[in-house]
Amino acid sequence: AQSVTQPDIHITVSEGASLELRCNYSYGATPYLFWYVQSPGQGLQLLLKYFSGDTLVQGIKGFEAEFKRSQSSFNLRKPSVHWSDAAEYFCAVERGSYIPTFGRGTSLIVHP
Amino acid sequence: EAGVTQFPSHSVIEKGQTVTLRCDPISGHDNLYWYRRVMGKEIKFLLHFVKESKQDESGMPNNRFLAERTGGTYSTLKVQPAELEDSGVYFCASAGGGNTGELFFGEGSRLTVL
Repeated sequence: AQSVTQPDIHITVSEGASLELRCNYSYGATPYLFWYVQSPGQGLQLLLKYFSGDTLVQGIKGFEAEFKRSQSSFNLRKPSVHWSDAAEYFCAVERGSYIPTFGRGTSLIVHP
Repeated sequence: EAGVTQFPSHSVIEKGQTVTLRCDPISGHDNLYWYRRVMGKEIKFLLHFVKESKQDESGMPNNRFLAERTGGTYSTLKVQPAELEDSGVYFCASAGGGNTGELFFGEGSRLTVL
């Protein structure tokens, strides 16, 4: 069965600092990979996705993620964090089932 | 265009009572999903509808949970009787045809069982 590991429950960064959220997956083949964000009081929103091709994927709100097959990772990055990025971030994987499997989420706290 | 809407946003019930959660997907979306998140844990899959048919209900915890999708439109998730461990946030999501992979989520229904 596929699984998703987000090792960091909470991450605290200062506004303007860079950010990297980690995601590792366990799956036999290369899955489809996603990052979603949940801001307070809202539903999950897709930030970006990787299906194939270029391993560096650009998303909305200035986020990007890099797929590394050798490490089974799909880490999310942003060069300069804004206070409005404070939210919970979920990594998800899917392959052929049309049913994404989600990780436990990483809560991002942004200090002014 | 209206997004996925869920009702109620928060429900507090006592153990043994019944609760029904409702989800209205984005109009025209054939795929409808229910997920649940227990506090601090991962968002876990419950079931998947394609139109009115249950495509996959492998994540349903037990027979106290019943999901329906009448006429392939809105869906309900009934918990009867509720137990303490059913507490959590229940998310509904919908998706259109074709495998773009993107699910559109509602804000969730928080269920508290006392």
